[in-house]
Amino acid sequence: QKEVEQDPGPLSVPEGAIVSLNCTYSNSAFQYFMWYRQYSRKGPELLMYTYSSGNKEDGRFTAQVDKSSKYISLFIRDSQPSDSATYLCAMSAQGAQKLVFGQGTRLTINP
Amino acid sequence: EPEVTQTPSHQVTQMGQEVILRCVPISNHLYFYWYRQILGQKVEFLVSFYNNEISEKSEIFDDQFSVERPDGSNFTLKIRSTKLEDSAMYFCASSEASGNQPQHFGDGTRLSIL
Repeated sequence: QKEVEQDPGPLSVPEGAIVSLNCTYSNSAFQYFMWYRQYSRKGPELLMYTYSSGNKEDGRFTAQVDKSSKYISLFIRDSQPSDSATYLCAMSAQGAQKLVFGQGTRLTINP
Repeated sequence: EPEVTQTPSHQVTQMGQEVILRCVPISNHLYFYWYRQILGQKVEFLVSFYNNEISEKSEIFDDQFSVERPDGSNFTLKIRSTKLEDSAMYFCASSEASGNQPQHFGDGTRLSIL
């Protein structure tokens, strides 16, 4: 079983839709969970950073962590064409330096 | 907003040659990282660096790789004798003082080995 699994998509939705992106993981030591957005030919840009279980909201973005299910989600409300990008989940264990990334989901928002 | 900058944006090198990739981390950050992304694959951790020494490294980071902070602002990744399979995007990242802080990435250097 892969350490972090993420559906690569592509995912295409109409403008204004709610988008749900997900990752599952197998390593129960992971405590820190991140979502990055990556535009073409650019580096990963940090969107959300959460510790342990629960929800975190920032504007149109909500991150959820369910450690009991080893499942994390990113919701995008009122999606815009500018949200079109690849979304990467990443996670790390307590005290560990390295981030373990998912494959990334390619998202397109159609006007 | 402060950002991590990487140079060059694209490096083309003959197989067997040495290459140095350069990064300027965010100025008040103390932890530095290198990751790579082979085309179509996941972003993979290579190495982390703190207080002038390697704090963690992956299996990929073998004797062909080295890192250095030659001065107060630059952080470099050297590959001594490049192989075809070293072709990838290389990303530098940095984070604030303590571990598990959010890591901020540069836009990467695309390394092409011929």
